[in-house]
Amino acid sequence: LAKTTQPISMDSYEGQEVNITCSHNNIATNDYITWYQQFPSQGPRFIIQGYKTKVTNEVASLFIPADRKSSTLSLPRVSLSDTAVYYCLVGLSSSGSARQLTFGSGTQLTVLP
Amino acid sequence: DADVTQTPRNRITKTGKRIMLECSQTKGHDRMYWYRQDPGLGLRLIYYSFDVKDINKGEISDGYSVSRQAQAKFSLSLESAIPNQTALYFCATQPPGQETQYFGPGTRLLVL
Repeated sequence: LAKTTQPISMDSYEGQEVNITCSHNNIATNDYITWYQQFPSQGPRFIIQGYKTKVTNEVASLFIPADRKSSTLSLPRVSLSDTAVYYCLVGLSSSGSARQLTFGSGTQLTVLP
Repeated sequence: DADVTQTPRNRITKTGKRIMLECSQTKGHDRMYWYRQDPGLGLRLIYYSFDVKDINKGEISDGYSVSRQAQAKFSLSLESAIPNQTALYFCATQPPGQETQYFGPGTRLLVL
């Protein structure tokens, strides 16, 4: 299993850029890296996904170095509503065994006014 | 996401009782998953199904069973509930060829 390690918590202020790093030393060749956001009492919600280099969408960017042993989720100019738990998920599910999917323990991001 | 529904949303039961949690989806996705989440921990995979006739054990399947009655329905059963199965349970779906999973709102289960 490609286990993941994330910081337990992070604090930031409104308007700042936040970077959350996930370590996944045992990532397999075909594994994708996916980040989810979860608010209290809700199911996780997809944010962004990547395989290598950089991916950007309307809400975040994902940076993956060449060795793919880590990844960094970047949230530009956070607001209070970005306060949530962020999960890094590494694994192969679309064509392989979902048993390999591993959610980390997540990072609690708190955005302060 | 209203396309993935879970019933009940909350349930209290007693040790030794059989209980079923249900998940329905209108997305037409073939893949469905059951996870549990404990306080301060991430999601752990219980069972998953890639098709109606396909059932697979996840990381923590002991004490649980599932049924995929149709493409749109995936039920999780606790044959004899025990207190350490108290948790938040999530169902998720996934379209073919994509890595993204879509989660339901969750079922909060308390086993006394």
